[in-house]
Amino acid sequence: DAKTTQPNSMESNEEEPVHLPCNHSTISGTDYIHWYRQLPSQGPEYVIHGLTSNVNNRMASLAIAEDRKSSTLILHRATLRDAAVYYCILRDVLVSNFGNEKLTFGTGTRLTIIP
Amino acid sequence: NAGVTQTPKFQVLKTGQSMTLQCAQDMNHEYMSWYRQDPGMGLRLIHYSVGAGITDQGEVPNGYNVSRSTTEDFPLRLLSAAPSQTSVYFCASSLHSGPTGVNTEAFFGQGTRLTVV
Repeated sequence: DAKTTQPNSMESNEEEPVHLPCNHSTISGTDYIHWYRQLPSQGPEYVIHGLTSNVNNRMASLAIAEDRKSSTLILHRATLRDAAVYYCILRDVLVSNFGNEKLTFGTGTRLTIIP
Repeated sequence: NAGVTQTPKFQVLKTGQSMTLQCAQDMNHEYMSWYRQDPGMGLRLIHYSVGAGITDQGEVPNGYNVSRSTTEDFPLRLLSAAPSQTSVYFCASSLHSGPTGVNTEAFFGQGTRLTVV
């Protein structure tokens, strides 16, 4: 399985944009890039995913490098509620049969928001 | 729409006791899974199921059993609890996207914090 590398921790000021990086230099052509986050004492929640093009939704934006070896999750205006551990996960759409639902979590990036 | 519901939220067991962690979802999802999360670590997959009557092992299956008799429920059984099974357990569900389908998002429960003494 292709692996991802994220910084252990980051800090950001409230109401400022946050850019969370993820490196995935061994990504395959059929790997989707997924982001989940885990708020304190909660289960993980889906944030966004993409394949090649940049993606936007109500929670965040995902910027994917042209060579797909890295991506950046962008929170446009961080709030205290965004303090969480953010996980960058690759999911291969062509893993045989039912294996592509599996999520392989690393240790993620712990985001601290400074009031 | 309750999503994924886990019970209990907290549990303390003595070594050697057995128990079942319950997980139910009301979204008609085919795929369900169990993860454990230890301090400072990401989630690790224990067992998963792609539909009623079908289960398979994940990364850390030893000491755990599962069954899937209905689409809605996916209980996790600890037959003889050990201190090494002290952890936070998360259940997740998602639509099955198929071998070449579009990836779908997973929904997680709130977790069960288990302590084995």
